[in-house]
Amino acid sequence: AQSVTQLDSQVPVFEEAPVELRCNYSSSVSVYLFWYVQYPNQGLQLLLKYLSGSTLVESINGFEAEFNKSQTSFHLRKPSVHISDTAEYFCAVRGYNTDKLIFGTGTRLQVFP
Amino acid sequence: GAGVSQTPSNKVTEKGKYVELRCDPISGHTALYWYRQSLGQGPEFLIYFQGTGAADDSGLPNDRFFAVRPEGSVSTLKIQRTERGDSAVYLCASSLGNRAGTGELFFGEGSRLTVL
Repeated sequence: AQSVTQLDSQVPVFEEAPVELRCNYSSSVSVYLFWYVQYPNQGLQLLLKYLSGSTLVESINGFEAEFNKSQTSFHLRKPSVHISDTAEYFCAVRGYNTDKLIFGTGTRLQVFP
Repeated sequence: GAGVSQTPSNKVTEKGKYVELRCDPISGHTALYWYRQSLGQGPEFLIYFQGTGAADDSGLPNDRFFAVRPEGSVSTLKIQRTERGDSAVYLCASSLGNRAGTGELFFGEGSRLTVL
């Protein structure tokens, strides 16, 4: 079975500052890792994913995440945030041997002007 | 349609009543998922369909919850004898269903259930 821990329930940050949202996972098998984002009054949408290959993955809007197998982490980072990045961010994991996607409890990123 | 469609968007019911929530997935997606999201929590897995069959229903909390997908497209989540603790947003997602593929789930906007 897999599980996900998002250590920070809320992260307040000023616009143009860097941010890191932490995610750790637990699994007895190899995994695929995902970050989903939920903007206010919208449905969940995929931000980025790690399936295989390069451990550093990027999204189209400047976020990146690095898969660290030894630390079982998949932290999300952005060097300079915008007001429009205000949203709830969910880390998710799926084992190679399952179709079930398991989500963390989410981190609310609040960007202030 | 272009995306996953869920109806109703809001449902208010009384304790003990029966509720049905509908999900219309993206055309061509063979996999369909139901999740439940309570306030301040992440989506909690309920059940997953591959085609018409429930491939994994381990997340259904008890036998009051049941889901069907008779023709491999639209799915209905059914809740009997609703309780106040069932109040949540029920999310539906669909995917191409290829385990070795991208794994991306496409979510609907959810059905908010309130049990009074």
